[in-house]
Amino acid sequence: DAGVIQSPRHEVTEMGQEVTLRCKPISGHNSLFWYRQTMMRGLELLIYFNNNVPIDDSGMPEDRFSAKMPNASFSTLKIQPSEPRDSAVYFCASGPRTVATNEKLFFGSGTQLSVL
Amino acid sequence: EDQVTQSPEALRLQEGESSSLNCSYTVSGLRGLFWYRQDPGKGPEFLFTLYSAGEEKEKERLKATLTKKESFLHITAPKPEDSATYLCAVHNTDKLIFGTGTRLQVFP
Repeated sequence: DAGVIQSPRHEVTEMGQEVTLRCKPISGHNSLFWYRQTMMRGLELLIYFNNNVPIDDSGMPEDRFSAKMPNASFSTLKIQPSEPRDSAVYFCASGPRTVATNEKLFFGSGTQLSVL
Repeated sequence: EDQVTQSPEALRLQEGESSSLNCSYTVSGLRGLFWYRQDPGKGPEFLFTLYSAGEEKEKERLKATLTKKESFLHITAPKPEDSATYLCAVHNTDKLIFGTGTRLQVFP
């Protein structure tokens, strides 16, 4: 299995531009999570999906952030417009069971986002 | 509010020098405590899950233990390849809450 696949690995953009991050979870996994990691705050949960349905988006910082999961094999996290404070590493993770009974998560390699 | 605090933030060890990393937590409805390892430029990789006080798990030079308020990750005779950031996370009713990690460096 290829694991969780994220793209791009690195993204450099200018303030105000739209950014789209992509994630392909492990086949057969039922839950998908988007995390953001910074030195100051560590790993923060942004949103998670269970069977393609968004369950909790309370971690999404503001309306500039949106996430979709149109099918079981693909999810996107979009930032529009982007701001310098959005610079961070964004991780996607998937889990084999439903959120309530989840055990370990499998993380992708992340997208390093820099907003200038 | 559910919270996870890890200490120390950074730890430098000589190869073979054993030590422990701490993870203190407050959570309502603990469903499990997790340890992950994160190498630079990569995502966290699962190490252990502990579910109840008194439980212990081992993997090579690592041993994780759990009490009602904290967990320890003991590293016995570490090697340079053990250098990484170690993350602790608690699973409450529906999600994982991570600590900010301990950055471990092991020198030959």
